Amino acid sequence: QVQLHESGPGLVKPSGTLSLTCAVSGVFINNNNWWSWVRQPPGKGLEWIGEIHHIGSANYNPSLKSRVTMSVDKSKNQFSLDLYSVTAADTAVYYCARRPFYSDPFDYWGQGTLVTVSS
Amino acid sequence: DIQLTQSPSFLSASVGDRVTITCRASQGIRSDLVWYQQKPGKAPKLLIYAASTLQSGVPSRFSGSGSGTEFTLTISSLQPEDFATYYCQQLNTYPLSFGGGAKVEI
Repeated sequence: QVQLHESGPGLVKPSGTLSLTCAVSGVFINNNNWWSWVRQPPGKGLEWIGEIHHIGSANYNPSLKSRVTMSVDKSKNQFSLDLYSVTAADTAVYYCARRPFYSDPFDYWGQGTLVTVSS
Repeated sequence: DIQLTQSPSFLSASVGDRVTITCRASQGIRSDLVWYQQKPGKAPKLLIYAASTLQSGVPSRFSGSGSGTEFTLTISSLQPEDFATYYCQQLNTYPLSFGGGAKVEI
């Protein structure tokens, strides 16, 4: 069974970098899937941040593209998110998720991790 | 970017009610629409994809319809476990986008 698990600091200072990792189990990360990050500010809706394929191809939300980098670590079967120059507006629950193929929906999600941006 | 507008944003209902939620896209997205259910403190759960295909394991009281710009999610007989927030998502064009959500409450 596919499982995803987010990890990373729960508190980041303003202007700093938010870095999260999603550990994948039950499937190899180089299995031709797309690996996404989605966030949800407290009490608000869902926002797609972007996705990456194991070959290195990535698609980012233009609203965040200038501040986002995603990467894949095949040796650890995990993928990562770096969000730079964060502000309080980046406070959210961050989810990682999988799309089996390019046109598929998110079928597996992590449990989510709350990241607060505050000094 | 494609905007998805869900209505209503909040819906008060009772067990046994038939519930319909609408999702309108700012431009045509064929049938590239997905519905998720989210309960407090939990990740979204996939209900329906390709506008009308029920995900494996999802009860048959859930159904979806529509294509182009207008879509609906229907719960034929609301059960206690269905009280949640429902989101639509389009997979037609980058950036992928979600609707604002529809909270179904008692």
